Amino acid sequence: DTGVSQDPRHKITKRGQNVTFRCDPISEHNRLYWYRQTLGQGPEFLTYFQNEAQLEKSRLLSDRFSAERPKGSFSTLEIQRTEQGDSAMYLCASSLEGPRGAGEKLFFGSGTQLSVL
Amino acid sequence: TQLLEQSPQFLSIQEGENLTVYCNSSSVFSSLQWYRQEPGEGPVLLVTVVTGGEVKKLKRLTFQFGDARKDSSLHITAAQPGDTGLYLCASRNYGQNFVFGPGTRLSVLP
Repeated sequence: DTGVSQDPRHKITKRGQNVTFRCDPISEHNRLYWYRQTLGQGPEFLTYFQNEAQLEKSRLLSDRFSAERPKGSFSTLEIQRTEQGDSAMYLCASSLEGPRGAGEKLFFGSGTQLSVL
Repeated sequence: TQLLEQSPQFLSIQEGENLTVYCNSSSVFSSLQWYRQEPGEGPVLLVTVVTGGEVKKLKRLTFQFGDARKDSSLHITAAQPGDTGLYLCASRNYGQNFVFGPGTRLSVLP
């Protein structure tokens, strides 16, 4: 168990460019979450997958954001036509859905820090 | 969407002091989790509380879940510089995702 891995750790881009982030969850975990966090705030939910199915997407999420988890393993988050307001830490978390009431535990990666100039 | 409030927003104390931080909501929690996050890293789960009135201890950290399951507290005894970080509470939303509070940023000075 190597934990949740995110790549890259840092990304600097110019406004208008597209960026893609990758998340490799803990291997046996069937759920994968994407969150965004800005300085001084808690993580804000973006979307989550159970296996390869995207089950929920935040209503706050712009159409410029898209996420995939093609084989139920790793996931990618793409932001098209980046804006300065997209600058944030993008966090990925994985979990294993257990028996109801067992208490799902999220394991987070170290995040990708995006800076849009 | 369930909204979580945390207080205080910032806390700076000397090593050896005790402190309590709070998390509350206008809605009932099905369960509540506490995480600690260090700069440049993702949050790390500390504890999950499920039952109203539940108290859990993790070394010098004591977590309490309110009887009505609408509030929770985290008490740290004899704080150490290694306790410095952002303390977040989180609860599962009515959908399936987890909602996080804004956090309490704790600084323990040596």
